[in-house]
Amino acid sequence: QTVVTQEPSLTVSPGGTVTLTCASSTGTVTSGYYPNWFQQKPGQAPRALIYSTSNKHSWTPARFSGSLLGDKAALTLSGVQPEDEAEYYCLLYCGGAWVFGGGTKLTVL
Amino acid sequence: EVQLVESGGGLVQPGGSLRLSCAASGFTFSSYEMNWVRQAPGKGLEWVSYISSSGSTIYYADSVKGRFTISRDNAKNSLYLQMNSLRAEDTAIYYCARAGFGWDYWGQGTLVTVSS
Repeated sequence: QTVVTQEPSLTVSPGGTVTLTCASSTGTVTSGYYPNWFQQKPGQAPRALIYSTSNKHSWTPARFSGSLLGDKAALTLSGVQPEDEAEYYCLLYCGGAWVFGGGTKLTVL
Repeated sequence: EVQLVESGGGLVQPGGSLRLSCAASGFTFSSYEMNWVRQAPGKGLEWVSYISSSGSTIYYADSVKGRFTISRDNAKNSLYLQMNSLRAEDTAIYYCARAGFGWDYWGQGTLVTVSS
C-alpha cells in the first residue's frame, strides 16, 4: 500500500510564498500519478485547486500553482492571503487506487 | 450548476449495514467517473472507492474491500455505496466526488457513525 507524505504543518506570513510537497513511498512522483491538490477549511467539503500536476480549475486563484519539484509534486502559494489558512491535501493515482496525503495545515501568521 | 448531494448516513451498530446515495444534477452524470471519499472525525481524507462512467470498472481501498460495494444508476443520476459489516473505524463523513477535470466537484458529505 502506497503511503503519500506531506509536511504536517507550515507557517507563512501574509504576502509571502510557501511550497507544499507531496511524496510517494514508491519513489519519484511523475505526471503519471496525476497529482491533484485540494483545500479544506473547517466544517467544509474539500475544494479542488489543481489537477494533473499543474492545471488550475476556473475558480483557482492565480496565486496557486502546481508543479513537480525533484521527486515530489508541489503546490506553491505566492502572495499568500489570510484566507489561504487551511488544510491542504494532495492526491495521487497509484495504479488502480487513489491515495491522499496526510494533509498540510497551513497557518498564515 | 453542478450539484452532488449525499444522503443515507446515520447511526448504525457494529456489524450493521447502510446504503449511501449521491444525487447528481447539473451535468451529464453518465459521462463522468465518480468516487467516494471519507474523513474520520479530526482526521485526513481517505479514498474509498472509484467507479467508471459506465460502471464497468471499479476499485476499492484495501480497508473496505469485501465489505463495501459501489454502484451507479445513470438513468437516475445517482451513485451508491452499500456498506456492510460496518466497524467503528468506518465512522466518518462520506463524500462523493466527480472525476472530471480532476476531482472537480464534491458533495457536502453525509455522516456515518458506527457505535453500539
